[in-house]
Amino acid sequence: GQNIDQPTEMTATEGAIVQINCTYQTSGFNGLFWYQQHAGEAPTFLSYNVLDGLEEKGRFSSFLSRSKGYSYLLLKELQMKDSASYLCAVMDSNYQLIWGAGTKLIIKP
Amino acid sequence: GAVVSQHPSRVICKSGTSVKIECRSLDFQATTMFWYRQFPKQSLMLMATSNEGSKATYEQGVEKDKFLINHASLTLSTLTVTSAHPEDSSFYICSAITGTGVTEAFFGQGTRLTVV
Repeated sequence: GQNIDQPTEMTATEGAIVQINCTYQTSGFNGLFWYQQHAGEAPTFLSYNVLDGLEEKGRFSSFLSRSKGYSYLLLKELQMKDSASYLCAVMDSNYQLIWGAGTKLIIKP
Repeated sequence: GAVVSQHPSRVICKSGTSVKIECRSLDFQATTMFWYRQFPKQSLMLMATSNEGSKATYEQGVEKDKFLINHASLTLSTLTVTSAHPEDSSFYICSAITGTGVTEAFFGQGTRLTVV
């Protein structure tokens, strides 16, 4: 079966760095997405990785290792507004998105 | 970036009535649209996948006669919740992609459905 695993909840301090991990097993691979979702709102796109390596975009970076079925999202210089759920999703061979359950990130002052 | 407009954002309806939710891609052609349902504190659950001009593919456990999906054009898909019940109350979100070479899935704003 297809499976995406990520931690349920993480806590970090304002100004610090946090890494959210995601492991996956899917039928085919057409890319891995990270989304941010605030409560009651639709997800917003953060990053897309289809090749191995690190993609940096401002305070956010995303890493992918296809051989290990592993990705992480790295958030630097944490701000209170970064408190949200972070969803990892993999696009399978049928171009369907397989979603993780999301990681709730709590930022403390 | 590309925009997907979903309407309405909130709707309250009486039990037994039907509700239609629209999802439009405003500046691109959406070859495939996805409909999700999200219950509180849970992740997105795919309900169905629709391709323009063909019947939607429903996920296991989703009643196709209750959740009617129409994808009549490359810019519009609709989800109709028929004979709604309180247990259908949820957050419904549509998403669209442009086909191969996808680098992002674009989401509508979501619809909060409350059935009373």
